[in-house]
Amino acid sequence: QVQLVESGGGVVQPGGSLRLSCAASGFTFSSYGMHWVRQAPGKGLEWVAFIRYDGNNKYYADSVKGRFTISRDNSKNTLYLQMNSLRAEDTAVYYCAKLRTSGYYFDYWGQGTLVTVSS
Amino acid sequence: AIQLTQSPSSLSASVGDRVTITCRASQGISSTLAWYQQKPGKAPKLLIYDASSLESGVPSRFSGSGSGTDFTLTISSLQPEDFATYYCQQFNSYPLTFGGGTKVEIK
Repeated sequence: QVQLVESGGGVVQPGGSLRLSCAASGFTFSSYGMHWVRQAPGKGLEWVAFIRYDGNNKYYADSVKGRFTISRDNSKNTLYLQMNSLRAEDTAVYYCAKLRTSGYYFDYWGQGTLVTVSS
Repeated sequence: AIQLTQSPSSLSASVGDRVTITCRASQGISSTLAWYQQKPGKAPKLLIYDASSLESGVPSRFSGSGSGTDFTLTISSLQPEDFATYYCQQFNSYPLTFGGGTKVEIK
């Protein structure tokens, strides 16, 4: 069965960096585009970033553009999110999500990893 | 960016009630809309895609309709396990956007 397991969250000071990982299993990871979505405490969902199945196309939310970098290692079935210049407003649970076979919509999500930006 | 406006932001309903949630897009998005259900402390779950297609394994009491700018999620007979927050999401263009959510509470 499909599993997505995020890791790497924690507490970091403003201006700091963190790298999140999402380990995928149960499907052919190298065939699917992947996304990161976040949710601030008590708030709604916010899309963060997308990477194409081969890593050759990426999109970012304006709120993270220039600070966050999405990447993947298909040999390790792992998705990454490098987060630099972190701000208090980046505090959220970060989910990785897999696209449906059609290439649209998120059919599987990880359990999420909490990132807290605080001094 | 395409804005999605959900209404109401919250509602109270009883088991067995028919519940309707609406999602309005700031510009036409054809049928590239999904609905997700989220329970506290859990990841969202896909219910409806392409505005009206039921995801595999989702009970038939859930249905979606609409195209262009106006969309609806209907729960025909609310069950205890349906008390949750519901989000719409557009996949028409980047940046992808979600509606603000509708919290369905027990009356």
